[in-house]
Amino acid sequence: EPEVTQTPSHQVTQMGQEVILRCVPISNHLYFYWYRQILGQKVEFLVSFYNNEISEKSEIFDDQFSVERPDGSNFTLKIRSTKLEDSAMYFCASSGGGGSSYEQYFGPGTRLTVT
Amino acid sequence: RKEVEQDPGPFNVPEGATVAFNCTYSNSASQSFFWYRQDCRKEPKLLMSVYSSGNEDGRFTAQLNRASQYISLLIRDSKLSDSATYLCVVNKPPGTYKYIFGTGTRLKVLA
Repeated sequence: EPEVTQTPSHQVTQMGQEVILRCVPISNHLYFYWYRQILGQKVEFLVSFYNNEISEKSEIFDDQFSVERPDGSNFTLKIRSTKLEDSAMYFCASSGGGGSSYEQYFGPGTRLTVT
Repeated sequence: RKEVEQDPGPFNVPEGATVAFNCTYSNSASQSFFWYRQDCRKEPKLLMSVYSSGNEDGRFTAQLNRASQYISLLIRDSKLSDSATYLCVVNKPPGTYKYIFGTGTRLKVLA
């Protein structure tokens, strides 16, 4: 069964450093997403991406965040200057086209710890 | 009113019981509705989409009530493996691909 993969599973970084989180969506999917979940809190939408551009983003997704699809398979989230409050689990998701275009499938997540 | 609201639970039920969760949403223009389950420290897994006509998948039944702006999930014949947090997800208009998650309802199925 096709699945979304994410690397690394855990990233530790110092405050102020840049991090790149990587995702490989399901191969025939067209829509890609990033979410975050701070420990003990709800899943929060960050951004959706389609046709090589941002489709929608939340208030959380400010100038320190960026997304990219550098090749035909990877989808990345960059955080330019990490803050302590960026510590969270980051989930990538993808959804396909057609009638089930809205059903999202999530990767296992990257746990980001900012020290 | 919160955008998506769920009773956090926990709902503690014996094996074999039927349990129902509700989720209310604030924006009447929302068009896409889903139930996900999330196990501790794991990713959300799609349980089912929720259609206007309602839908059923095995022991799980989802309903949408647009007039009252809520969706429901019914689990029949609960199994120990159903223990998880159930997340309600709704799109946020005017966005189609922008989603709001509820805080989740925790279910514990007891032997």
